[in-house]
Amino acid sequence: EAQVTQNPRYLITVTGKKLTVTCSQNMNHEYMSWYRQDPGLGLRQIYYSMNVEVTDKGDVPEGYKVSRKEKRNFPLILESPSPNQTSLYFCASSLWGGHGYNEQFFGPGTRLTVL
Amino acid sequence: KQEVTQIPAALSVPEGENLVLNCSFTDSAIYNLQWFRQDPGKGLTSLLLIQSSQREQTSGRLNASLDKSSGRSTLYIAASQPGDSATYLCAVRLGTSGSRLTFGEGTQLTVNP
Repeated sequence: EAQVTQNPRYLITVTGKKLTVTCSQNMNHEYMSWYRQDPGLGLRQIYYSMNVEVTDKGDVPEGYKVSRKEKRNFPLILESPSPNQTSLYFCASSLWGGHGYNEQFFGPGTRLTVL
Repeated sequence: KQEVTQIPAALSVPEGENLVLNCSFTDSAIYNLQWFRQDPGKGLTSLLLIQSSQREQTSGRLNASLDKSSGRSTLYIAASQPGDSATYLCAVRLGTSGSRLTFGEGTQLTVNP
């Protein structure tokens, strides 16, 4: 089944404790992206990647890191989480390049709480 | 900076009604526009994708139109059902590279039996 998976689905942590949210897709998509969703602010793009070893900042990259060492994986790293990073996070992927930007497929979300 | 607005923010209708959800965007140089559905506590499900060269797309009871010159897209839902109750989001991909995606805040739809 074609899908985007995220782990963990729920996470409660404390300020300053480094964490990684994993994202994996099995559709051989070039493009991957992370978003956060907050009440009243909607979905905002954090980082995106157009292929292996190619990443770029979205609208709200502060406090986050990403890496793209393999095509299928795009982990989101919070080196020193703070309470304002409490949010619902989504990973997404799509084809890119010669295919054009086809529809994005979203993962199920990771609900993160930073105390 | 691209801004995407969805009106209304919430909509409640009786079952069977035809309805229209609106999405407007400030920068007409879009690559494509995608409509999503989000159920409470769940991820986003893609409904329709319209490329910048297209005027509309249809899937079942859903029809989405795109007017780049006026910066508008509409999602038409025919013969609404209680199962259509969800939040509907539009997202715009920008420019020639289309690498950036901007979302509207969504329209929360309730279809009453």
